[in-house]
Parts: sequence; structure tokens; C-alpha cells
Amino acid sequence: EVQLVQSGAEVKKPGESLKISCKGSGYSITTDWVTWVRQMPGKGLEWMGRIDPRSSFINYSPSFQGHVTFSSDKSITTAYLLLTNLKASDTAFYYCTTGGSQSRFWGQGTLVTVSS
Amino acid sequence: DIQMTQSPPSLSAAVGDRVTITCRARQDIRNSLAWYQQKPGDAPKLLVYGTSMLESGVPSRFSGRGSGTDYTLTISSLQPEDLATYYCQQYHSTPYTFGQGTKLEI
Repeated sequence: EVQLVQSGAEVKKPGESLKISCKGSGYSITTDWVTWVRQMPGKGLEWMGRIDPRSSFINYSPSFQGHVTFSSDKSITTAYLLLTNLKASDTAFYYCTTGGSQSRFWGQGTLVTVSS
Repeated sequence: DIQMTQSPPSLSAAVGDRVTITCRARQDIRNSLAWYQQKPGDAPKLLVYGTSMLESGVPSRFSGRGSGTDYTLTISSLQPEDLATYYCQQYHSTPYTFGQGTKLEI
């Protein structure tokens, strides 16, 4: 069974940074793109961008460019989302998904809460 | 960015009803359209891709169709477990964008 396992919920203060991990279980993330999606509380889905772990090629959505960084470590088949200079408005669920087009498999989501 | 407009924002229907959700793109997305189902407290789940291709394991009461800028997701006979919010997504050009969602109440 394919699963994407994300790191656990985090509570951060404004200005701090956070790195979320996403590891495949029964699946290697190096076989396809990894896409990141944000969902703010009670809101819809937002496409943040995607990374191809095979080549490290990245597409960022202009809405997130400069504020997030995608990376991956092929040796441990793990993808990462780095959020910097966190603000209260970054409070959201963050999902990793497989696929560079449609998102076939989804992680369980990581809840990030930013509060002073 | 390609804006995706979903309608209706919410929908109340009864078990057994036929339900249709519409998604309109600002420009031709050449059938690069997926539908997702998100149940409360869960991650989204892929239902349909390529406008009409049913993802493995998805019940046949779900179907998608469309072309150009206009697409639909139909549930032929609504079941209680279909209570969820449904999203369309275009993946014709980056940044790939989602519709605002349709909350289905039963």
C-alpha cells in the first residue's frame, strides 16, 4: 500500500522557520514529482509547487515563491518543505502529494500553527 | 494563472439523487482536469483525472466529462458516504490551480 508519511504538527512563533518532511512508504518519491498543497483553516486547496526529486527541477507558484523552499534527499527518499519567516497567515495544513500533474497519493497533512 | 470557477459553492441533495458539479476554466485547459473528494478531517482523494478517467477503486457512480473550458463531475446516485467537499484542478499549465470547492450536504 502506498503511503506518504509527513512529519507531525508544529506550533511556531512568528519569524521562525520550519521544515516539513514527506517520506514514501511502499513508494519511492524518486519515481515521480512531489507536489505541495496548502489548506488554510476552513478554506480550499492551494497549489504551492512541485519538485522532481530525480532532477531537483522545481516549479514554485508565484504566490509562494520566495517564502518556501522545496528540497529532497534521494538517499532516504524524503521530500521537504521549508517555510521561513513564519506569519500567523501561514497557519494551515500542508500536504505533500505524488505526481507532477494530478495528485494521486496524498500525505496525511501537517498542521502548522503560528502564534505568538 | 488559470482561474477555475466551481459551482455551486454548496449543494444539498438526498440519497439517490443525481448531482452535478461544474468547473469552468478561464481558458482552454485541453482536458487536463482532475477532481478530488475531501471528507471532513481527511486529506483529499483523487477521483477523476484527464477529465473522465476514473481513478482505481473509485465507484462507477462518479463520472467526469467536458472539454475546452467547461467540465462537470456527476454522481449518478448519491450515497451517504459521498458527503464531502469536491475540488476541481487544472494541470494544463503551472501554477496548477484548484476551484474553490463545492460542499455537498446530504
